[in-house]
Amino acid sequence: AQSVTQLGSHVSVSEGALVLLRCNYSSSVPPYLFWYVQYPNQGLQLLLKYTSAATLVKGINGFEAEFKKSETSFHLTKPSAHMSDAAEYFCAVILYSSASKIIFGSGTRLSIRP
Amino acid sequence: NAGVTQTPKFQVLKTGQSMTLQCAQDMNHEYMSWYRQDPGMGLRLIHYSVGAGITDQGEVPNGYNVSRSTTEDFPLRLLSAAPSQTSVYFCASSRDRSEAFFGQGTRLTVV
Repeated sequence: AQSVTQLGSHVSVSEGALVLLRCNYSSSVPPYLFWYVQYPNQGLQLLLKYTSAATLVKGINGFEAEFKKSETSFHLTKPSAHMSDAAEYFCAVILYSSASKIIFGSGTRLSIRP
Repeated sequence: NAGVTQTPKFQVLKTGQSMTLQCAQDMNHEYMSWYRQDPGMGLRLIHYSVGAGITDQGEVPNGYNVSRSTTEDFPLRLLSAAPSQTSVYFCASSRDRSEAFFGQGTRLTVV
């Protein structure tokens, strides 16, 4: 079965430090991968997506992610954290078999220390 | 262009009551789906549809019904609400695998 695993339910970094949120997927065919961000009491906003073009994907707010097929990973990074980055982040995959079915990871809450 | 619209935004139900969560999209997308979000569990798929008249069950379908009579609308029905259905519900639509669009969510509390 397809799945998405996010390592670390809570990550805390200092303002200005590197942000690294980890995501691994299991898929028998090349997946479409996504990172979404959710601010408190709000909906989901697309940060970036991988759709089999460039393996290094740049998104909004300075975030980027690299697709590594050999490691089945799609980790999210940002060189310098900002207080406004505090939110919950979800990694997700859309199944090859159906565009209706999105599989989400359990989420990682990012906290930023002043 | 409104995208995906969910109503209501907030709802409190008593155990045993029924209600319908509405979802409408104006992008002419064939694919639509419903998710529930619970702390520490991410978003889990309840039901999905690949076009008008075609629906199927997702990961957690028990207690929920759906129908898709038009391309635009995909309502989610709770037949007899239970406290375990207290959650935040999201509707999504997509044209293909490249991107899904989400509504703003419905926060449901069952007491």
